[in-house]
Amino acid sequence: GAVVSQHPSWVICKSGTSVKIECRSLDFQATTMFWYRQFPKQSLMLMATSNEGSKATYEQGVEKDKFLINHASLTLSTLTVTSAHPEDSSFYICSASSTSGFTDTQYFGPGTRLTVL
Amino acid sequence: GENVEQHPSTLSVQEGDSAVIKCTYSDSASNYFPWYKQELGKRPQLIIDIRSNVGEKKDQRIAVTLNKTAKHFSLHITETQPEDSAVYFCAASIGGGSYIPTFGRGTSLIVHP
Repeated sequence: GAVVSQHPSWVICKSGTSVKIECRSLDFQATTMFWYRQFPKQSLMLMATSNEGSKATYEQGVEKDKFLINHASLTLSTLTVTSAHPEDSSFYICSASSTSGFTDTQYFGPGTRLTVL
Repeated sequence: GENVEQHPSTLSVQEGDSAVIKCTYSDSASNYFPWYKQELGKRPQLIIDIRSNVGEKKDQRIAVTLNKTAKHFSLHITETQPEDSAVYFCAASIGGGSYIPTFGRGTSLIVHP
C-alpha cells in the first residue's frame, strides 16, 4: 500500500517550453502533496505544499508563476515548469500524505529528471 | 522555523560493523521524526519513524532513538551490509495538522564488503 507514482520519469525539453509533471497516489487519498527539488548529492528542497482544491503554498524563493501547481483531486497533483531554462534542470520529486491513519507519514514518488537544453 | 542538523555527511564502514547517524532539531514542538533511505537516482524510502511519545523503536537491524530533552534523534544500523549503502535523510515535523517536514542534509553511508 501507499504507492505514489510520478510521470514522466524523465523529460528533455528545449529552453522556453513548458513541462508538466504528474504525481498520483495510487491506493490512497492524499490530504496533502508536496513538491521537492533535489540537486545532485544534496538534500530535498521543499518547493511547495498543496492541498486538494486550494492554492499551493510556496516556499520562500520559489516563483509561483514559474512553477505552477494544481491539486485537482485527492489523488492527483501536477507541477508545470513554465518557460523552462537550463537552470531548471533538476530531479523533481513529489510526496503525499494520507487522509487516514498516520497523516504525517510521507510517501515519495519515483521522481522526474528534467533536463532543459 | 525548524532547523535540522545531520551528521556525519559521509560515513564509511566495513560490512558487519554498526553505523550511527545523528540529527538535532530546534523546534521543541516537533513530534514526528522519520528516516528515509535514498539510493542513487531513486525515491526516498521510509525505513523507520518515531513519534515523541516513545524513546526508541526497533525494526530488525534498524533502530531509532529519540531524546526530546536534548532535541536529538539517531539512526542505528547494526550488522551493516553492502546493500545498506545509500544516502540517509532524517526529518522533523509537527505531526498531525499542518505537517511540513524539515529534512537534514543527508548522510552518505558506504558499506565496504
